[in-house]
Amino acid sequence: DIQMTQSPSSLSASVGDRVTISCRASQSISNCLNWYQQQPYKAPNLLIFAASSLQSGVPSRFDGRGSGTNFTLTISSLQPEDFATYYCQQSYSPPRTFGQGTKVEIK
Amino acid sequence: QVQLQESGPGLVKPSETLSLTCTVSGASITSSYWSWIRQPPGKGLEWIGCFYYRGSTDYSPSLKSRVTISIDASNNQFSLKLTSVTAADTAVYYCARECPDSTSCQSDYWGQGTLVTVST
Repeated sequence: DIQMTQSPSSLSASVGDRVTISCRASQSISNCLNWYQQQPYKAPNLLIFAASSLQSGVPSRFDGRGSGTNFTLTISSLQPEDFATYYCQQSYSPPRTFGQGTKVEIK
Repeated sequence: QVQLQESGPGLVKPSETLSLTCTVSGASITSSYWSWIRQPPGKGLEWIGCFYYRGSTDYSPSLKSRVTISIDASNNQFSLKLTSVTAADTAVYYCARECPDSTSCQSDYWGQGTLVTVST
């Protein structure tokens, strides 16, 4: 299995802050990397697919970059509705493994 | 608008079989891949497996010996069976659409999730 490692596991930030979450794959996955946001007690919501493509309806403050083994998700100006847990997922090969999650909390 | 809805028992006894169904509307089950993902309480997401209508299936190696995903095209549904369950299988189970086109593979539509508890 391809292992996905996110950092940090959690972070505290304020509204308006720029936030970056990292995701590293245990082997090269080209650009086969997705990002999801999960609010408490809700299903995950797709933000970014193919490393940098913004899913329809997702605000442009979300930006995904990277290829190979290193990827980032940046929120340019954190909004109140962005406080949530974020997961990366590799779609290079089954099983399509997820990172352990990064919880973004209010400072 | 694509919608998915999980259904099935919320309580399963240890050693028995967990069975869930996902009903899809707004899209045909004969296109795309369809997957199951679970999340134990307070923990992260675990990909269980997926099914493609033309007969391709992939399962997580850690669950492969106990999992079957199948499709009922006539009812636009797909199902999950997990045998010999233990308390470690207690989780919210999500169904999702995967790989909406041939160029990339992401879960763009999800069900709301259903909590399955394994307990006597």
